[in-house]
Amino acid sequence: KAGVTQTPRYLIKTRGQQVTLSCSPISGHRSVSWYQQTPGQGLQFLFEYFSETQRNKGNFPGRFSGRQFSNSRSEMNVSTLELGDSALYLCASSPTASGANVLTFGAGSRLTVL
Amino acid sequence: AQTVTQSQPEMSVQEAETVTLSCTYDTSENNYYLFWYKQPPSRQMILVIRQEAYKQQNATENRFSVNFQKAAKSFSLKISDSQLGDTAMYFCAFMRDNDMRFGAGTRLTVKP
Repeated sequence: KAGVTQTPRYLIKTRGQQVTLSCSPISGHRSVSWYQQTPGQGLQFLFEYFSETQRNKGNFPGRFSGRQFSNSRSEMNVSTLELGDSALYLCASSPTASGANVLTFGAGSRLTVL
Repeated sequence: AQTVTQSQPEMSVQEAETVTLSCTYDTSENNYYLFWYKQPPSRQMILVIRQEAYKQQNATENRFSVNFQKAAKSFSLKISDSQLGDTAMYFCAFMRDNDMRFGAGTRLTVKP
């Protein structure tokens, strides 16, 4: 079965713009989590959605937001982009919201902010 | 807040040898899950091994095994018979309530 699909894979934006990233989870998975990966900060948790509800949120400013649709697909949005937002954004899905589940990651969306 | 520490930024090992990657974590919780994930140069993170904190027995997956010391809050990964394909970044992770925290990672290079 298809894995976690993230689009776009690469994108370049300029400061002040906004960006929307998409994540399609594995079929049947209802929980989607987002992570930011940078060389300096490593992997940082952004937020997690289950059944269209945000259950957990990491320590990121309000410029970072997300949502989940009824088909479990998720989007994250970053407004007023800053140079420091350049990162690999990873999405992961799991069957339920249980902590016992293993996360399956997508290949990521590489965002470069100029 | 939970923190995960990987004290070895980089390691190398000769093909067919054994290597151990270290991980410690800090938590006041009793029930949680620990993971090792691998991120090869192609970037896709994949699960290597998982350990439930309530289980005393160390998890094993083929050439990969862990040494879980709950009281010491230590969770090291041993890779036996290292292969060139094991070259990757390895991340230790702590999860509770679907909030997963990662360590900074260890870059492992397997040399032929």
